[in-house]
Amino acid sequence: AQSVTQPDIHITVSEGASLELRCNYSYGATPYLFWYVQSPGQGLQLLLKYFSGDTLVQGIKGFEAEFKRSQSSFNLRKPSVHWSDAAEYFCAVGGSSNTGKLIFGQGTTLQVKP
Amino acid sequence: NAGVTQTPKFQVLKTGQSMTLQCAQDMNHEYMSWYRQDPGMGLRLIHYSVGAGITDQGEVPNGYNVSRSTTEDFPLRLLSAAPSQTSVYFCASSRLTGTDSYNEQFFGPGTRLTVL
Repeated sequence: AQSVTQPDIHITVSEGASLELRCNYSYGATPYLFWYVQSPGQGLQLLLKYFSGDTLVQGIKGFEAEFKRSQSSFNLRKPSVHWSDAAEYFCAVGGSSNTGKLIFGQGTTLQVKP
Repeated sequence: NAGVTQTPKFQVLKTGQSMTLQCAQDMNHEYMSWYRQDPGMGLRLIHYSVGAGITDQGEVPNGYNVSRSTTEDFPLRLLSAAPSQTSVYFCASSRLTGTDSYNEQFFGPGTRLTVL
């Protein structure tokens, strides 16, 4: 069965420091991978997505993610974190083509220290 | 263009009461879905629809009903509310473009439901 694991429930980084949020997936075919961000009390916003092609994808707000098939990973990175990046981040995998279903990880809460 | 809208934003129910959470989208998306979000569990799919008249169960469908009579609307019904259904509920929609890609899922702002 398809699944997504985000090993880090909570991460704290200092403002200006680099960030990497981990995501591991289990899927039998080529996955469709997504990162979403949820600010407190808000809905989810898409940061970036991977379907095929270049394994390093760029997203909004300065985020990027790298697809590594050999490691079944899709880690999210940002070179310099801003206080406004404090939020909850969700990794998701497309369950099967042509149905639109997504399977989400448990989420990682990012706290940014001044 | 309002995107995905959900009503109400907050709701308190007593055990055994019924209610309908409303979801509407104005983007002519074929796909619509309902998720519930609980601490430490991410988002879990309740029900989804790939078009008017077509619905299917997700990961946690028990206690919830849906219907899709129009492309725009996808209401979620709680028939007899239970405390275990206390959660934040999100509706989402997207286009379906065939077998090679997904389109972005657009999420509504959520409904925070408490069942006493």
